[in-house]
Amino acid sequence: DTAVSQTPKYLVTQMGNDKSIKCEQNLGHDTMYWYKQDSKKFLKIMFSYNNKELIINETVPNRFSPKSPDKAHLNLHINSLELGDSAVYFCASSPGVGLPYEQYFGPGTRLTVT
Amino acid sequence: DAKTTQPTSMDCAEGRAANLPCNHSTISGNEYVYWYRQIHSQGPQYIIHGLKNNETNEMASLIITEDRKSSTLILPHATLRDTAVYYCIVRVEISGNTPLVFGKGTRLSVIA
Repeated sequence: DTAVSQTPKYLVTQMGNDKSIKCEQNLGHDTMYWYKQDSKKFLKIMFSYNNKELIINETVPNRFSPKSPDKAHLNLHINSLELGDSAVYFCASSPGVGLPYEQYFGPGTRLTVT
Repeated sequence: DAKTTQPTSMDCAEGRAANLPCNHSTISGNEYVYWYRQIHSQGPQYIIHGLKNNETNEMASLIITEDRKSSTLILPHATLRDTAVYYCIVRVEISGNTPLVFGKGTRLSVIA
C-alpha cells in the first residue's frame, strides 16, 4: 500500500508550458507539504497545507500554485515553466502541524524543463 | 532552527554498526533532534527523533548527549540497503509552522 503517491514520476516539458503534479496520501493525515530538491541535492520546503488551508508559503514564484481539493490531496500547478524549475519535487504528509510529528514523503517527481 | 554539522561522508562495513554523528551546539531546550535518510532516487524517510532521552526503534538508536549539543544515530547492523544520505535536523516548535530544514547530510556507504 502506497502511503504518499505522486504522479507523474517523470515529467519532461518545454519552457513556457503549464504543468501539474498530483499528490495523494492515504494515511489520514491533516498536513501536506511540497518540497523541491534542486541539482545540488538541497531539499527546501515550498508549501504546507493543514486541513486544506495554506499555512506555509516560502519564497516561491507565484507561477507555482498549490491546490488542495481535500485533505488527502495536494496538487502543484506550475505556470510558464522555466529552465530553473527543473528539479525533483517531493510531496509529504504528517499527522498534524508541529512537533513531534514525523513527515512521510512520496517518491518524487523529476521535472525536466527543456 | 539550530544549525547542525555532520561529516560529509562515512563508510561502514556490512554487518557492523554505523555511528553517524551530528553536532548541534546551539540547540535550545524546545528543539527536537530528527533523523531522516534519503536513499538514491527516493523520497526522504523518517528514522527517529528525540528531545532529551535516548531513543530506540526498529530502525535505529538515537543517543543524545546530556548537554544536548550533539547526538549519534546508530544503525546496529548496517546492510547494503542502508547506503543513503542521512540528515540530522533540529526543529523548534513554532505553532503552525514547522517545516523540515535539510542540510547537506552525511553520505553513508555500506561496503560488502
